[in-house]
Amino acid sequence: KQEVTQIPAALSVPEGENLVLNCSFTDSAIYNLQWFRQDPGKGLTSLLLIQSSQREQTSGRLNASLDKSSGRSTLYIAASQPGDSATYLCAVRPRGNTDKLIFGTGTRLQVFP
Amino acid sequence: GAGVSQSPRYKVAKRGQDVALRCDPISGHVSLFWYQQALGQGPEFLTYFQNEAQLDKSGLPSDRFFAERPEGSVSTLKIQRTQQEDSAVYLCASSLDRAFRLMNTEAFFGQGTRLTVV
Repeated sequence: KQEVTQIPAALSVPEGENLVLNCSFTDSAIYNLQWFRQDPGKGLTSLLLIQSSQREQTSGRLNASLDKSSGRSTLYIAASQPGDSATYLCAVRPRGNTDKLIFGTGTRLQVFP
Repeated sequence: GAGVSQSPRYKVAKRGQDVALRCDPISGHVSLFWYQQALGQGPEFLTYFQNEAQLDKSGLPSDRFFAERPEGSVSTLKIQRTQQEDSAVYLCASSLDRAFRLMNTEAFFGQGTRLTVV
């Protein structure tokens, strides 16, 4: 059974720091991995999607890497800002006949001025 | 529409009451998903539609939960005889087409319906 774990569960940092959020999954048979942002009381906003054949994706100050063989992904946030404060979720799409996403429990990030 | 739209945003139900949650996916999106997110947890899969066909309902927690998508666009998640443990945020997501699974099939989520059963 695919399980997704995110470390740390919570993180509080001063503005300007570079951050690394970690995601691990137990089964490497995936189609892709997706990072989401969730603001309090809101839905999920897709940040980056990495196909299983890719090693990384970049969007602005965000960079996500994928090491499928070791079951790990990292989300790197450069020069953090208070507006980055949110919960960050990673999710994998397992190979097979299912199209569902398996989510981690998220990392709650607070960036203070 | 521009994004996935869910209604109502908030719903308070008395225990035992039936509720219906609506999802309008992005126009043209074939795949539609329902997820349940308990407080402090990640979303958990409930059910999946491809057009009007419900291909996977393995995540529905009990037979009190029922979902439909009769015309392959709008979907409704119905919960009968609600219980306190049903309190959660219910998220709907859509993606373009299962056939493009190996390509950039991002899932786009709505803002969710927060259900509180009292």
